[in-house]
Amino acid sequence: NAGVTQTPKFQVLKTGQSMTLQCAQDMNHEYMSWYRQDPGMGLRLIHYSVGAGITDQGEVPNGYNVSRSTTEDFPLRLLSAAPSQTSVYFCASSSEVAALNEQFFGPGTRLTVL
Amino acid sequence: GENVEQHPSTLSVQEGDSAVIKCTYSDSASNYFPWYKQELGKGPQLIIDIRSNVGEKKDQRIAVTLNKTAKHFSLHITETQPEDSAVYFCAANQAGTALIFGKGTTLSVSS
Repeated sequence: NAGVTQTPKFQVLKTGQSMTLQCAQDMNHEYMSWYRQDPGMGLRLIHYSVGAGITDQGEVPNGYNVSRSTTEDFPLRLLSAAPSQTSVYFCASSSEVAALNEQFFGPGTRLTVL
Repeated sequence: GENVEQHPSTLSVQEGDSAVIKCTYSDSASNYFPWYKQELGKGPQLIIDIRSNVGEKKDQRIAVTLNKTAKHFSLHITETQPEDSAVYFCAANQAGTALIFGKGTTLSVSS
């Protein structure tokens, strides 16, 4: 199993550009989530999904969109990138609702918005 | 919603010493408290977790304690080794569907 994979590893955007961060898991996990990690701020939940077709907002959802058309994939879309979105983004998955189970994290995507 | 406070933000110990990291949470309905370790350049990885029906859990050199009345839980690492150097995050569940993380503790173990 590859576990949780994320692409790209690094990305530089200009303000106003849009892009999609990809996340895929091959463990048949129902629960998937996106976090951003900023220095001194820990991990903050952006969006999560409890299954295909179901998504919900986390702590910091503004400026991001998600969709979950399959169990395996959970892409994160930045509609109009802003410098405040410079961060490291982690995708995670869990076999059950994450609130009671181990989450498996991907290796992260480091995004810089100029 | 849930709020998780973690202390200290940095911790330096000598190899062989013990390290303790403490977290407090605000939502009395929270019932799952995991700890994650993040090594440089990698994603966080679960090292131990505890549920609200248990007061203490141990796995070799690491242990977690939970005080539901005071709403705090702690990570204890004994006989620290250089490879324990990493960032450690505590977390608590919120509304049954999400994990809220603390801001992290950078542990440095010097030999």
